[in-house]
Amino acid sequence: DVVMTQSPLSLPVTLGQPASISCRSSQSLVHSDGNTYLNWFHQRPGQSPRRLIYKVSNRDSGVPDRFSGGGSGTDFTLKISRVEAEDVGVYYCMQGTHWPRTFGQGTKVEI
Amino acid sequence: EVQLVESGGGLVQPGGSLRLSCVASGFTFSNYGMNWVRQAPEKGLEWISYITSRVDSMYYADSVRGRFTVSRDIAKNSMFLQMNNLRAEDTGVYYCARDMAAGPDVWGQGTTVTVSS
Repeated sequence: DVVMTQSPLSLPVTLGQPASISCRSSQSLVHSDGNTYLNWFHQRPGQSPRRLIYKVSNRDSGVPDRFSGGGSGTDFTLKISRVEAEDVGVYYCMQGTHWPRTFGQGTKVEI
Repeated sequence: EVQLVESGGGLVQPGGSLRLSCVASGFTFSNYGMNWVRQAPEKGLEWISYITSRVDSMYYADSVRGRFTVSRDIAKNSMFLQMNNLRAEDTGVYYCARDMAAGPDVWGQGTTVTVSS
């Protein structure tokens, strides 16, 4: 199985400042169709997860443009340009290239 | 409004069975693959199963393969997860989620499964 490793696991942030989370996969996430299926999710306490990013860098509908995703192959990053209070919670990466799909351990973002 | 509603969770003894349901609305259910994802108490997300839009392929995590079976009824806009031989480590919140671009883009509110004697 593909192992997804996130860092850091805990990220203290300052409102208005940038933040960044890393996600590394144990195998390349480039699919045979040429796409790279790397997703990012955000989960607030007591809520269902919400997808923010798909295929490395595409924002889902309604996701603020302060969120951006990047990377290639096995190394990926989620960036928040200016952290807002509503951004607290846990962030997960997930690969959809290989079966079984696998999530990272999660990164807890707190103010 | 696109919506997914899970049901069927509850308390079950080890070795027992449960059948979870997920009812979809607000989109053309037959056009999308569907996922089940679970979350143990105070733990991270674990993908456990996927069924294709045409119901021609199903995929499972190693932790549930052979015990869980995913299915769907297109006519009822519904997906199911039959869970047999349940273990304490199967305890958690179970989410159904629509798939788009090889990832869950719409999630339900979850249903809680507790396996305990």
